[in-house]
Amino acid sequence: EAQVTQNPRYLITVTGKKLTVTCSQNMNHEYMSWYRQDPGLGLRQIYYSMNVEVTDKGDVPEGYKVSRKEKRNFPLILESPSPNQTSLYFCASSFPLAGGPAREQFFGPGTRLTVL
Amino acid sequence: AQKVTQAQTEISVVEKEDVTLDCVYETRDTTYYLFWYKQPPSGELVFLIRRNSFDEQNEISGRYSWNFQKSTSSFNFTITASQVVDSAVYFCALSESGGKLIFGQGTELSVKP
Repeated sequence: EAQVTQNPRYLITVTGKKLTVTCSQNMNHEYMSWYRQDPGLGLRQIYYSMNVEVTDKGDVPEGYKVSRKEKRNFPLILESPSPNQTSLYFCASSFPLAGGPAREQFFGPGTRLTVL
Repeated sequence: AQKVTQAQTEISVVEKEDVTLDCVYETRDTTYYLFWYKQPPSGELVFLIRRNSFDEQNEISGRYSWNFQKSTSSFNFTITASQVVDSAVYFCALSESGGKLIFGQGTELSVKP
């Protein structure tokens, strides 16, 4: 089944404790991206990757890191989480078109993160 | 800079009413793509439609229709004869070349029986 998986789905942690949210897709998509969803703000892009070893900042990259060593995986790393990073996080992937995410994006189920 | 505005935060209708969700965008690019996504109460994000900037044809899919007007930078979404299952948050999004995807704030639609 074609899908984007994220783990964990739920996470409660404390300020400053490094964590990684994994994202994996089995559709051979070049493009992958991370978003956070907050009430009243919609989805905001954190980082995206056009292909392996190519990553770039979205609109809210501060406090996050990513890596794209393999095509299928795009982990999101919070080196020192803070309470303002409490949010619902979505990973997505797609085939690009003309250099951008012009095809429909397939979203993972979401990871609800709480930082105390 | 690119921007997407969904001015309607919440809309409430009674079943079988028609409802239009507004989306206004800003971009400097001549080539761009517009999307609508649905987020039902279960939380997943479901793709509804993609439109490229060179195709202003309106589209109809069952009870759903989309009106793309470059002159007013709008990409509005109409649900005809709404149903309770249409209750969800709907997001409009814009992609230019270069990888960024910008979402609007979302419109929460509540369809009451």
